Amino acid sequence: GAVVSQHPSRVICKSGTSVKIECRSLDFQATTMFWYRQFPKQSLMLMATSNEGSKATYEQGVEKDKFLINHASLTLSTLTVTSAHPEDSSFYICSARPGTTSSYEQYFGPGTRLTVT
Amino acid sequence: AQSVAQPEDQVNVAEGNPLTVKCTYSVSGNPYLFWYVQYPNRGLQFLLKYITGDNLVKGSYGFEAEFNKSQTSFHLKKPSALVSDSALYFCAVRWMNTGFQKLVFGTGTRLLVSP
Repeated sequence: GAVVSQHPSRVICKSGTSVKIECRSLDFQATTMFWYRQFPKQSLMLMATSNEGSKATYEQGVEKDKFLINHASLTLSTLTVTSAHPEDSSFYICSARPGTTSSYEQYFGPGTRLTVT
Repeated sequence: AQSVAQPEDQVNVAEGNPLTVKCTYSVSGNPYLFWYVQYPNRGLQFLLKYITGDNLVKGSYGFEAEFNKSQTSFHLKKPSALVSDSALYFCAVRWMNTGFQKLVFGTGTRLLVSP
């Protein structure tokens, strides 16, 4: 149980285009989802927290208009990188917290590697 | 603000030997501490957590961690390392701010188990 999937696993896009990454909780309802970014050999940096049906809360320094997050249902959150640039190339990981169990449980997706050329 | 520190970038151990991956924390209030493991190009997998109770926490794949309040540490341990344990390990602490809860991660420690 408690599986989180991400799609796509890898994506290559041209500079200036937009890319959408999906995060799904497959066997539980996630009231809260998190989006992280991980640079090579570095830790995970939280980008934003989203609660189903409400606007995402972004961490300091993260551009809201560039990284659009939508948490439209209890099983799906999307991250759209708009007008992508090479510096946006990174490993993006989502995480989901179930709404019915202890609030500290958090399950991670397998990640999406974005390369902007 | 809550934070965790992992002082070692890499830990090397021979297969069959015990391993320890260090983590210290700084929190206000009671700490909620976690260990996660990450394999190449993969997301994080939960190993174990300390919320309250027994200071020795047992987790997945034979790992355990000891919560030490006086030393503000939460070191990850395993009695006998396997080559397949080679991965990146993250310590994390739960932070609660203005009603939101989030995990704050350490910088990670790469564990390399040699045959």
